Amino acid sequence: EVQLVESGGGLVKPGGSLRLSCAASGFTFSSYNMNWVRQAPGKGLEWVSFISSSSSYIYYADSVKGRFTISRDNAKNSLYLQMNSLGAEDTALYYCARDSSDYYQPNPPDYWGQGTLVTVSS
Amino acid sequence: SSELAQDPAVSVALGQTVRITCQGDSLRRYYATWYQQKPGQAPVCVIYGKNNRPSGIPDRFSGSNSGSTASLTITGAQAEDEADYFCNSRDTSGNHLVFGGGTKLTVL
Repeated sequence: EVQLVESGGGLVKPGGSLRLSCAASGFTFSSYNMNWVRQAPGKGLEWVSFISSSSSYIYYADSVKGRFTISRDNAKNSLYLQMNSLGAEDTALYYCARDSSDYYQPNPPDYWGQGTLVTVSS
Repeated sequence: SSELAQDPAVSVALGQTVRITCQGDSLRRYYATWYQQKPGQAPVCVIYGKNNRPSGIPDRFSGSNSGSTASLTITGAQAEDEADYFCNSRDTSGNHLVFGGGTKLTVL
């Protein structure tokens, strides 16, 4: 069974930083591309970032480019999102989501974690 | 990047058929994937590709595409289908994913 478990969310002050983690199990993590998707409270879904299986291809949404960094450790079956210069607009539930394709560009995810909540407030 | 537009809310009588649409330039090139999201839960894929259902998704869910519009049809809507539905595809650059704003489906 595919499982994606996010952690690392919490309350952070504007301008602060946070690192999210996603522990993957039930599939060969190193063979799959991965995404981060977020959802502000009561709002829709917003794609954040994509990383290919070997970390060769990385893409970001314009709203986070230059502030967020996606990475992975295939030996640890883990995906990460380093978030810097956080603002109120980054408050959201952050989902780790497995990409549905092995193509070098992002594809709609097929499996999602339950999310970790990031709240940016003073 | 491009956007995907969805109607914010749609309602359907129990047992009737409802169509939820998603419009965007990128849909001329890429298929939409449809997700169902119930309160407090993660999104679940109900349709992907041309018209494919993941294992466990009832066959009352179907998808179609025409030009810049993708549609999700529920034939014989059930009470448990009441949820938010989001469409998703690559944007016109191909290097980003974009989601529709979501459609809240109410089953009357």
